[in-house]
Amino acid sequence: GAVVSQHPSRVICKSGTSVKIECRSLDFQATTMFWYRQFPKQSLMLMATSNEGSKATYEQGVEKDKFLINHASLTLSTLTVTSAHPEDSSFYICSASNRGRVENIQYFGAGTRLSVL
Amino acid sequence: GENVEQHPSTLSVQEGDSAVIKCTYSDSASNYFPWYKQELGKRPQLIIDIRSNVGEKKDQRIAVTLNKTAKHFSLHITETQPEDSAVYFCAASFANAGKSTFGDGTTLTVKP
Repeated sequence: GAVVSQHPSRVICKSGTSVKIECRSLDFQATTMFWYRQFPKQSLMLMATSNEGSKATYEQGVEKDKFLINHASLTLSTLTVTSAHPEDSSFYICSASNRGRVENIQYFGAGTRLSVL
Repeated sequence: GENVEQHPSTLSVQEGDSAVIKCTYSDSASNYFPWYKQELGKRPQLIIDIRSNVGEKKDQRIAVTLNKTAKHFSLHITETQPEDSAVYFCAASFANAGKSTFGDGTTLTVKP
């Protein structure tokens, strides 16, 4: 099956620093990658949709200058949380859709738990 | 845009009983409805899906039904086991259109 790798799995950083999270599709080409934020015992909140070679589409209320997304290839998307603050602490999950598949199946990464001190 | 409502938010059943989770969607253009299972601290994983040209789909103890007219779909788990305990998310999307809209999730607890 399709595998999505997400790194790092956990990061602890000081307030004001930037953190980069990588999302890779290991055995398929991803037309689109998605970035979600998940609070404890809550649903997946879509932050942005990332298409290879084009600018990401951000959901309403998500600061694009705060959460920088780059999708440089069909297998890699990155999310950079710039000048992180404690309120940015959360669980971030990426997912990827398989190019060429009719169904909009999303394959999820294992997530990154960000703790900002 | 699409809006997906999921009920109940929590569900507790005895091992061996059945569990049913229901979702409604608002956009009649949606034609693909996956269900994901997320165990504690792990990634969501697809467990079953259904397209709008099908009314029911079954895979062993798991089945999904779709009522396109009423715009609702349900997940049915029979003969539940403790390892079925997890958070289940429904989603709706228009195939090939990109993003899915997720329900708020149902925390299922199966008591041994």
